[in-house]
Amino acid sequence: AQSVTQLGSHVSVSEGALVLLRCNYSSSVPPYLFWYVQYPNQGLQLLLKYTTGATLVKGINGFEAEFKKSETSFHLTKPSAHMSDAAEYFCAVSEGGSNYKLTFGKGTLLTVNP
Amino acid sequence: SQTIHQWPATLVQPVGSPLSLECTVEGTSNPNLYWYRQAAGRGLQLLFYSVGIGQISSEVPQNLSASRPQDRQFILSSKKLLLSDSGFYLCAWSVLSGNTIYFGEGSWLTVV
Repeated sequence: AQSVTQLGSHVSVSEGALVLLRCNYSSSVPPYLFWYVQYPNQGLQLLLKYTTGATLVKGINGFEAEFKKSETSFHLTKPSAHMSDAAEYFCAVSEGGSNYKLTFGKGTLLTVNP
Repeated sequence: SQTIHQWPATLVQPVGSPLSLECTVEGTSNPNLYWYRQAAGRGLQLLFYSVGIGQISSEVPQNLSASRPQDRQFILSSKKLLLSDSGFYLCAWSVLSGNTIYFGEGSWLTVV
C-alpha cells in the first residue's frame, strides 16, 4: 500500500521568500510522484511530476521538486514566493504501471504575506 | 486538446433526495475516469474509477454509485443522500496508457 505525508498543514511565507513544502511517501514499488495546486473553489492543477529519469523536476509557475529515494521525499520548492502562489498544495503518489490511481496527502495551505 | 467538464458546479440537496453529478471528457478516447471526494482537512479520497464503458471499481463502501454509460461520460449517483455525503467532488481522467491524472473543476454538494 502507498501513502503520502505532507508535513505542515499550513505554511506561511513572506512575498519574495523561499517556499518549501514537504512531502514524504511510502510505496512498495518505484513510485510516480506528483504535486497539484488547488486555488479556492477550483479543481486541481498539475504543477509537476516525477516518473523516471532526472530526479530534479521543474514545473509550472517556477516550482520544482526533487525526488530523493533514500529519504523517500519529494519536497516542493520555489525560490521566491509571489502573492499568486497562495493556494493549497497536494502531493500524490501512484504505483505506475497499469495502476494510475493516486493516493493524496492531506494538503498544505500556503499563505503569502505582503 | 483534451478538456473535462463536470456539472452542476454547486448543489444543495435535502437529506434523502437523489443525486446525479455528471462528467464528460472531450478530445480523447478510452480514457480512465475517476471520481474523488474532498473533505476539509482530509485530502482527496478516490471513490470510483473506470477503465471502460460499464466497468466500475469502487474504492470505498458508501452511499454512492457510479456509472459509465458512454466512453467519455462518468456519472456519480445516490438514491438517498446522507448528511455525510456533503463535500467537494472531483471528476478526473487519464489516458489509458498514461501516468498523469487531470481534474475537472469540481462540484460542491451540500446536503441539508
